[in-house]
Order: sequence, then C-alpha cells, then structure tokens
Amino acid sequence: GEDVEQSLFLSVREGDSSVINCTYTDSSSTYLYWYKQEPGAGLQLLTYIFSNMDMKQDQRLTVLLNKKDKHLSLRIADTQTGDSAIYFCAESAGDGTASKLTFGTGTRLQVTL
Amino acid sequence: DAGITQSPRHKVTETGTPVTLRCHQTENHRYMYWYRQDPGHGLRLIHYSYGVKDTDKGEVSDGYSVSRSKTEDFLLTLESATSSQTSVYFCAISESGLAGVSGANVLTFGAGSRLTVL
Repeated sequence: GEDVEQSLFLSVREGDSSVINCTYTDSSSTYLYWYKQEPGAGLQLLTYIFSNMDMKQDQRLTVLLNKKDKHLSLRIADTQTGDSAIYFCAESAGDGTASKLTFGTGTRLQVTL
Repeated sequence: DAGITQSPRHKVTETGTPVTLRCHQTENHRYMYWYRQDPGHGLRLIHYSYGVKDTDKGEVSDGYSVSRSKTEDFLLTLESATSSQTSVYFCAISESGLAGVSGANVLTFGAGSRLTVL
C-alpha cells in the first residue's frame, strides 16, 4: 500500500527558515498536501500541489516537489512562534469512488526564541 | 472547524462497551471520513462515505462500523470497545471527493473526539 514518511521533530529559531521533508511511495499520486495541526485541534489545510508541478509558493510557504525521487518539502520563511505545530504531508490518488488521503506520521515543529 | 461538529469531544469507557461517535456537518458535502490519530502512525483512515447509505472501508476498519442515513450525519460505532481503540478520532468532509484534473480533494477536519478505553 501507499506509504508516506516524515521525520518526527524539527526545532528552529524564530526568524529562521524551516524545511519539513516528506517522502512517499505511490507513483500514481495526483495531489500532495500539507496540513497543520495546532494543539487540541483538528488539521487545517495549508497548501497543496498538483503532481505535474515542481514548485508552489504561497506567501511564506514554498512547496517543492521532486516527482522522480518522490520527495516533497515545505519551507516556511521567517518562522514565527505561531508556526509551532505538527505538520502532516499527505498524498491522494483516485480509485473511482473517492481519492482517499494517506497521511504521514507528522513532523512536530518547535520554534524557539 | 466551522460547519463540522464532533460529539462527544471526550469519552472514557470500559472494555467491551459499545461506543458511538457522531459527526455532523452543515456544508452539504457528499464525502465524509473517519480517521484515527495515534503517535507514530499519523492519521489512518477507518471508513468513509460517498453518499447517503454509501460507505466503504479504510485501512484500519476492523472493529468499527459506520452509518450514514442523512447527508449531514456520519456515525462511527465501536460495537465492543477495546484498549487498542484508545485514540483521537477525527471526522473530515470534502465536497468533491476526487483528486484529478478538476482539482484536489480538500478535506476539512472536525476538532476531534478523544476516546479512552479502560
């Protein structure tokens, strides 16, 4: 089955850039997503990228996709304390009835002063 | 979490008892999902629904059943709860349900239901 892997923890200083990495195995993935989970809350969509793109930028967020290596990254510029959260990557592939998302284990981002 | 409500938000129960979690949406979205979140596993899909009375299994469906008698409600039932079902359960909804040339399958999540089985 599909597998999505992330490192568990990342610590950065406020104002620095954060880079969260993700690898996936399903070559038929059509979209890849980044979700953010703050403590005690559900997941919120940050951004997504279509599989035929290699980069997407949205304000402080930059998503890079290397489809050949099945590697996805999320860069957060000028990281703030409010960015402290768990970040999940996910991939989806169609199967006729629904494009179910497969999530990674999540990366906990800690922002220090 | 606007438009999607989970209940109860917290529940403690004993092994062997039945438990039902409810997900209610006001968005009139066709697709609804139940995920569980556990440390080291991320989110794993339990069951999903693609319409009233239309449901299918996810990757961790054993021990769980679902029902969708109305567009707005998706119920997750543990017939006989076990300690391995202690988890945080998330409901999600999506409008399109399919990721393809027409767009991504964007999920909106509820706030979660924390279940402890003693």
